[in-house]
Amino acid sequence: AQKITQTQPGMFVQEKEAVTLDCTYDTSDPSYGLFWYKQPSSGEMIFLIYQGSYDQQNATEGRYSLNFQKARKSANLVISASQLGDSAMYFCATPNGNNRLAFGKGNQVVVIP
Amino acid sequence: GAGVSQSPSNKVTEKGKDVELRCDPISGHTALYWYRQSLGQGLEFLIYFQGNSAPDKSGLPSDRFSAERTGGSVSTLTIQRTQQEDSAVYLCASGTGGAGELFFGEGSRLTVL
Repeated sequence: AQKITQTQPGMFVQEKEAVTLDCTYDTSDPSYGLFWYKQPSSGEMIFLIYQGSYDQQNATEGRYSLNFQKARKSANLVISASQLGDSAMYFCATPNGNNRLAFGKGNQVVVIP
Repeated sequence: GAGVSQSPSNKVTEKGKDVELRCDPISGHTALYWYRQSLGQGLEFLIYFQGNSAPDKSGLPSDRFSAERTGGSVSTLTIQRTQQEDSAVYLCASGTGGAGELFFGEGSRLTVL
């Protein structure tokens, strides 16, 4: 079964600075994908970015980018130019067989002005 | 609205009572998932519906939990004889199938006294 690990403690980041959120995964599938979701205090899970294991270039979506290192089984999320609205929990996820997404425990980010 | 709708948003119940949580997915989405999120934790998979296929119930924690999806659209998660450990946010998500992006509702917060 696939496993996602997010072990960073809560992070404080200065507004306009970049922040990197760590995610490591363990999978035996030859083809897989990594998802990042944001969960603000409202509780809704918001899709941010996705990268497939065979994608050649790291995915980017606006201020979000994935630092995907297959050899290390790492798929870190980089948020550039942090904004106050980026304060949230961030979850990394990967399909866990039968098309079920398995989520990590999340990283807490607080952006300070 | 066009998103995933869940009701009730908050439910407080007494131990031993039954509760029903409803999810109205995005129109046309064939895949529907229920996840549970306990305080400060990641998402725990409960059940997955895909089209007319038999649901994947492998995540249901006990036989007190059941879910159905009528007409391939609205889903109801039922918890019988609720226990205090059932207190959590129950998140519903829908998608187009496969291991693609999921769209989440805002969740139903259940508190069992």
